[in-house]
Amino acid sequence: DTGVSQNPRHKITKRGQNVTFRCDPISEHNRLYWYRQTLGQGPEFLTYFQNEAQLEKSRLLSDRFSAERPKGSFSTLEIQRTEQGDSAMYLCASSLGSRQQFFGPGTRLTVL
Amino acid sequence: DQQVKQNSPSLSVQEGRISILNCDYTNSMFDYFLWYKKYPAEGPTFLISISSIKDKNEDGRFTVFLNKSAKHLSLHIVPSQPGDSAVYFCAASEHNAGNMLTFGGGTRLMVKP
Repeated sequence: DTGVSQNPRHKITKRGQNVTFRCDPISEHNRLYWYRQTLGQGPEFLTYFQNEAQLEKSRLLSDRFSAERPKGSFSTLEIQRTEQGDSAMYLCASSLGSRQQFFGPGTRLTVL
Repeated sequence: DQQVKQNSPSLSVQEGRISILNCDYTNSMFDYFLWYKKYPAEGPTFLISISSIKDKNEDGRFTVFLNKSAKHLSLHIVPSQPGDSAVYFCAASEHNAGNMLTFGGGTRLMVKP
């Protein structure tokens, strides 16, 4: 059990560019969640997968955001045409059907 | 609308004393509650949880109390240690909502030696 890993840890990009983040969940965890955290706030739910199926999307997830989980293993979160308001910490969590979620270290995105 | 609220943004206690962190919620469909601890530049780390069928859960120095009628829960840390200094998040989930977590805004705990 190596824990949830996320790459990159930090990403600085210019407004209008596309970015992609990767999350590797704990092995065999069937559920994978994405959250976003801005300064001084708690994490906010974005979307979640059960195996490869994306089952829920928050209204926070605009059409510039897309997430995938091919083959039910790792997941990617892509943001197209980034805006300064997208600057945040993007957190990934996984679980094995239980109510407890294990979080990765996050990817900090800065949009200039 | 914020369904989970932590009204104290910060709390300072002396080492060895009790720390009490509070959390209020509005959604009566929440049936599972968790506390996470977060250090800077790290993801949240699970501390302790409680199901709505219980009113207390204990794990070592950490105890969570749930008052369903008041829609209030609290985390007690006894005795507090300097290493407990971190931001603590309360979170809640509904069984039929994919177990996604709704977080409060966090309370920064500072334990002074």
